[in-house]
Amino acid sequence: AQSVTQPDIHITVSEGASLELRCNYSYGATPYLFWYVQSPGQGLQLLLKYFSGDTLVQGIKGFEAEFKRSQSSFNLRKPSVHWSDAAEYFCAVGARDTGNQFYFGTGTSLTVIP
Amino acid sequence: DTGVSQDPRHKITKRGQNVTFRCDPISEHNRLYWYRQTLGQGPEFLTYFQNEAQLEKSRLLSDRFSAERPKGSFSTLEIQRTEQGDSAMYLCASSLGVTDTQYFGPGTRLTVL
Repeated sequence: AQSVTQPDIHITVSEGASLELRCNYSYGATPYLFWYVQSPGQGLQLLLKYFSGDTLVQGIKGFEAEFKRSQSSFNLRKPSVHWSDAAEYFCAVGARDTGNQFYFGTGTSLTVIP
Repeated sequence: DTGVSQDPRHKITKRGQNVTFRCDPISEHNRLYWYRQTLGQGPEFLTYFQNEAQLEKSRLLSDRFSAERPKGSFSTLEIQRTEQGDSAMYLCASSLGVTDTQYFGPGTRLTVL
C-alpha cells in the first residue's frame, strides 16, 4: 500500500540556518513525488515535484529536494531559512497507476527563530 | 484569478443537516480531486473525476458523502446527515492530466455543532 512518512512533527531552526525535512514513501513503482507548503489560512502551494530524470529537483523559494530510490526518500532542503518560511510542509506521493491520487504525510511544522 | 476556487470558505452547521460545497477548477483542467484534512493531519484523498466521470469513489468516507461534476467543469461535494466527526477542511484540487501537478484551492472549513 502507498504511504508517506514524515518523521519530524515539528522542527525549529534559526533564521539563516540550513533546513532539511525528511520524507519517506512506500510505493511499488517509481512514484511521482511532491512537496507542498501550507501557511495558516492558506491553501497548499506546490514547492517542487519529481516525475523522472534528474533526482535533484529545484523548486520555488530556494527549496530543493533529492529523490533517493534506494532509501525511498525525498527530503526537502534549503540552505538558508527565512522567517517567512515558517509554515506546515507536506510531502506527497502520487499513485500514478490509480489516477494519481495523492497520499500525503502528516506534515512537518516549521518554526523559524529570529 | 485563475486558480482553484472553493465556496463557501467556512460552513457551520448543526448535526444532522446536509451541506454542499462547490469547487471551480482551473479552466481546462479535466481532472478534479477532493480531499479531507483534519487537524494535525495531511490531506486524505476522497474521490476524483476525469471530466464528468467519477473514476474513484471507494475512498469516500461513508455513503453520506457524494460528489458530482455534471458538466465536467465545477464539482460539488455533499455530506448528508452531518456528524461532529465530519468537521474538517475539505480541499479541492485540479490538474490538466494524470501526470500533471495538482493545484489546490483554499478549502472549505466545515464545523458541525
